[in-house]
Amino acid sequence: NAGVMQNPRHLVRRRGQEARLRCSPMKGHSHVYWYRQLPEEGLKFMVYLQKENIIDESGMPKERFSAEFPKEGPSILRIQQVVRGDSAAYFCASSPLPTYEQYFGPGTRLTVT
Amino acid sequence: DAKTTQPNSMESNEEEPVHLPCNHSTISGTDYIHWYRQLPSQGPEYVIHGLTSNVNNRMASLAIAEDRKSSTLILHRATLRDAAVYYCILRKDQGGSEKLVFGKGTKLTVNP
Repeated sequence: NAGVMQNPRHLVRRRGQEARLRCSPMKGHSHVYWYRQLPEEGLKFMVYLQKENIIDESGMPKERFSAEFPKEGPSILRIQQVVRGDSAAYFCASSPLPTYEQYFGPGTRLTVT
Repeated sequence: DAKTTQPNSMESNEEEPVHLPCNHSTISGTDYIHWYRQLPSQGPEYVIHGLTSNVNNRMASLAIAEDRKSSTLILHRATLRDAAVYYCILRKDQGGSEKLVFGKGTKLTVNP
C-alpha cells in the first residue's frame, strides 16, 4: 500500500506566480489535512478536507490560499500571487477516519524568489 | 486545545533506553495522548497513542500517569535512526477536533 504522495517535492516560484501543490492520500483514506512548516518553526494546521468538502479551514490565511479535494484525483493546495513569506514546507496527511492517526507525506518545499 | 510541555532537547546514547517526558496538567477526560516524531527533512510519523492505560507497540511504549497529567514515551533501545523531534499532542476523540496541534517538541540526539 503506497503511502501519502506529494508532488512536486520541490517547487520554486517567483513572487506573484501561482503555486499548486498536490497530495494523493493513501488508498482508502478519504480525509486529508494540510500543514505548513515555516523555517525553524513547528507545524501549523491549515485545512481539513473530505471528498468534495472543506470541513475545517481555520488555519488557512484569508487571502490567496485555497484547497480542494475533488471526487476524483488528488487534493490540491493552491497559493495565488506567492510572496517570500510563503516559502515553507507544506505537508499533507491522510487518515481513514477523522480521529485515527494521520499518515504524512514527504512534503513539498516551496521556495519563493 | 489543552497544552503540553516538553523539554526542548534531550540526548541519548545508542542502544540505551530513552524516556521522553510530557506534561499535560490541563488534560480533560476525553483527550487522548498522541506522539508523533519528525525525522530530519521528512514528514511527521505517528508513533503511539493512549488514553489511560500504558500502551506498547513495535516502535515504543507509552506510560501514562495515574492522574493523566503527564506521560512518558519510552524508546527501549535508541538507534541513530531515532534521532528526531518528538511531539506530544492531546487530541479529543470526537468530531470537530481532527486537526493535530503541534508544539515545539523535544529534539532527541542519539550519540553513537
